[in-house]
Amino acid sequence: DAKTTQPTSMDCAEGRAANLPCNHSTISGNEYVYWYRQIHSQGPQYIIHGLKNNETNEMASLIITEDRKSSTLILPHATLRDTAVYYCIVRVSLEMDSNYQLIWGAGTKLIIKP
Amino acid sequence: KAGVTQTPRYLIKTRGQQVTLSCSPISGHRSVSWYQQTPGQGLQFLFEYFSETQRNKGNFPGRFSGRQFSNSRSEMNVSTLELGDSALYLCASSLGAVGGLSSYEQYFGPGTRLTVT
Repeated sequence: DAKTTQPTSMDCAEGRAANLPCNHSTISGNEYVYWYRQIHSQGPQYIIHGLKNNETNEMASLIITEDRKSSTLILPHATLRDTAVYYCIVRVSLEMDSNYQLIWGAGTKLIIKP
Repeated sequence: KAGVTQTPRYLIKTRGQQVTLSCSPISGHRSVSWYQQTPGQGLQFLFEYFSETQRNKGNFPGRFSGRQFSNSRSEMNVSTLELGDSALYLCASSLGAVGGLSSYEQYFGPGTRLTVT
């Protein structure tokens, strides 16, 4: 089962900030939150990841709540090319040693409207 | 740097056949992960190879196997194909340094679209 919950779809006006929420209430202390997006007919693209501090890069900002049970991906000035499915993922620690696995949910289909 | 490449891009096979897909990671990346993506199940993790060894494995039957070569290129094989194996197979590479949590940033290839008839 996916460890994250995201809205199925969202709309955002071009030029505005797109705020994509994600719930990960069962996240463990050493599990990172990753965000990827997948534009139609392409492989997923890495956006950003974080542990507990807010993170920013050239693509987006990631805001993680203090209790780490939820996070928000912010695309500051959305363009039509940002239309994609956005996946919020926690890096799940498996049973033994340092094995990790990414569990992908259904993602949020973000549609940027002109 | 060249991105992750996958060959072939499209493939049509019949039930019972076997298939081999290839993935060339980004230069310097030692980890290669494989995923299956279908409309109904989404992205599902198959396995990960690091330095020619399988380091992680998802919940797929033994018909799905893989290997990694010394140059980090990887292949996955599916034997005795079933209709349900029709999917987009994605390969992702990363630095994959052991214990390096942040090095798990993955870069995906365009995928191989497999159709089983």
